[in-house]
Amino acid sequence: AQSVTQLDSQVPVFEEAPVELRCNYSSSVSVYLFWYVQYPNQGLQLLLKYLSGSTLVKGINGFEAEFNKSQTSFHLRKPSVHISDTAEYFCAVTRNSGGYQKVTFGTGTKLQVIP
Amino acid sequence: NAGVTQTPKFQVLKTGQSMTLQCAQDMNHNSMYWYRQDPGMGLRLIYYSASEGTTDKGEVPNGYNVSRLNKREFSLRLESAAPSQTSVYFCALSRGLAGGSTDTQYFGPGTRLTVL
Repeated sequence: AQSVTQLDSQVPVFEEAPVELRCNYSSSVSVYLFWYVQYPNQGLQLLLKYLSGSTLVKGINGFEAEFNKSQTSFHLRKPSVHISDTAEYFCAVTRNSGGYQKVTFGTGTKLQVIP
Repeated sequence: NAGVTQTPKFQVLKTGQSMTLQCAQDMNHNSMYWYRQDPGMGLRLIYYSASEGTTDKGEVPNGYNVSRLNKREFSLRLESAAPSQTSVYFCALSRGLAGGSTDTQYFGPGTRLTVL
């Protein structure tokens, strides 16, 4: 079984301030880790993913995430947010299950950037 | 959301009515998925199709049926809609090749369904 926990349902932050969105996961097998972003009234799109190698992963729009195996975390960070970053962010873990990609999504964190 | 189209964008149904949500792709990907998104619950998998000609149940299949018409199209049918099916429905796809657990999923724009 696998699960994803995003403890913060909403995160307000002032424009140009740094932000960290937290994600913790649990799994009995090896998984791959993703962050997706959902802008208002749109579908999800990939922000970044960790498959292997360097634990620091860089994504689009200046976001990055660090995989920490010992803490089973994959927190998302941005050093300076913009108004356009206002969106909902989903952490996800995936593994192969009977020939298909089993994806477990977290419940999402709404990032509200305040001007 | 280029490459994945969903119709309709919005729909209001009365309890007991039926409808089909359509999804089409031009990305030549093998695997297709239907999710529902409800506030505070993330996305939950309803049905998936690992490849053309196959479909299987996901986490919340009750009250739904699917058809993988061909490689491009994957439809979701509600035979007798219930208020509990009020949700936003997303179609998604991935390459679905061996080692597919590393694939990116590509999402459509969603269908917002209200059942009265």
